[in-house]
Amino acid sequence: DIQMTQSPSSLSASVGDRVTITCRASQSISYYLNWYQQKPGKGPNLLIYGASSLQSGVPPRFSGSGSGTDFTLTINSLQPEDFAIYYCQQSITLPITFGQGTRLDIK
Amino acid sequence: EVQVVESGGGLQQPGGSLRLSCAGSGFIFNNYAINWVRQAPGRGLEWVSAMNGSGDHTYYADSVRGRFTISRDSSKNTLYLQMNSLRAEDTAIYYCAHTLNWGSNSYMDVWGKGTTVTVSS
Repeated sequence: DIQMTQSPSSLSASVGDRVTITCRASQSISYYLNWYQQKPGKGPNLLIYGASSLQSGVPPRFSGSGSGTDFTLTINSLQPEDFAIYYCQQSITLPITFGQGTRLDIK
Repeated sequence: EVQVVESGGGLQQPGGSLRLSCAGSGFIFNNYAINWVRQAPGRGLEWVSAMNGSGDHTYYADSVRGRFTISRDSSKNTLYLQMNSLRAEDTAIYYCAHTLNWGSNSYMDVWGKGTTVTVSS
């Protein structure tokens, strides 16, 4: 199975900050990497697919980059509604695997 | 608008069975894959099972293979997850997710709110 490792596991930031979350795959996954946001009591919400494509309706302050084994999710100018847990997920092969999540808290 | 709604969760004893449902609207099941993903209390996301759009391929995580079965009734636009021989470690919120681009470039673009399964004596 492909292991997905996110860093950091948790992060504190302020409204208006720029934050970056990293996801590393245990082997090359090309650009087959998706990012999700999850808020308490809700199902995950797709943010980025194919490493860098912004899902319809997602604000442009979210962006993704990377290929191979190393990927990043960047949030520019954090808004109050962005404080949540973020997961990466590889889709190159089954079983689908997720990172352990990054909790983004208000500083 | 594409929507999926899960139901069927509840409390079950170890060794028991439950059948979860995933009702879809705004799309035709025959055209899209559906994934089941679960989340144990306070934990991350774990992929469980999937069915491709044509319904001729099903997939399972090692942790549930042989105990869980995915199926669908296209006339009802509903997908099912039959869960047998339940274990305490199956306790989780179960989400179904509408999936685009089945294969290497797939992504889960619409998720339900989940249904809670608790396995306990």
